[in-house]
Amino acid sequence: NAGVTQTPKFQVLKTGQSMTLQCAQDMNHNSMYWYRQDPGMGLRLIYYSASEGTTDKGEVPNGYNVSRLNKREFSLRLESAAPSQTSVYFCASSWTGDSYYGYTFGSGTRLTVV
Amino acid sequence: QKEVEQNSGPLSVPEGAIASLNCTYSDRVSQSFFWYRQYSGKSPELIMSIYSNGDKEDGRFTAQLNKASQYVSLLIRDSQPSDSATYLCAVNQGDNDMRFGAGTRLTVKP
Repeated sequence: NAGVTQTPKFQVLKTGQSMTLQCAQDMNHNSMYWYRQDPGMGLRLIYYSASEGTTDKGEVPNGYNVSRLNKREFSLRLESAAPSQTSVYFCASSWTGDSYYGYTFGSGTRLTVV
Repeated sequence: QKEVEQNSGPLSVPEGAIASLNCTYSDRVSQSFFWYRQYSGKSPELIMSIYSNGDKEDGRFTAQLNKASQYVSLLIRDSQPSDSATYLCAVNQGDNDMRFGAGTRLTVKP
């Protein structure tokens, strides 16, 4: 069982370039999330999707867009990359219903914007 | 003001000792609490969840929750060098709003 699969694992972009981070889960979870992790700041939520067809902003959405393509896939797009977006990006998924459960994380994408 | 606070460490304990990791949170209506372990260069891995006041034990790990004091802790008994990692406290404030602490780095010395 693959769990949560993220691609790519590493990426270097020039300022102004665009890219899409891909995420897929095979656990039949309804909720999916994109986080960024920066030293000393912990994980911060960029966007989330509580179900297929819905997306909502998190704590740090500026400069990003997302698409919940279907129940399995949730992509994150940087339209015009900036050095401030240099970070490690994690996709996660979870089942949410009457209660909230822990997340399963993908292996992460290390993004450097020069 | 940070919603979830942890001592960044590093916390160093000898092999076989009890490691105690602490976390405080600010949102009083939070109902779900989690501990994740993150090895260097890897993704966070869920190790414990706790939803009600008191203790919850799973093998060498015990999570403790005190909602009145807005305090969550993780105890690791018989610490092993393989437990050396950063431990993240996470609090779900409802409506898919999971907040993470910055993590406590634990080193277990042989």
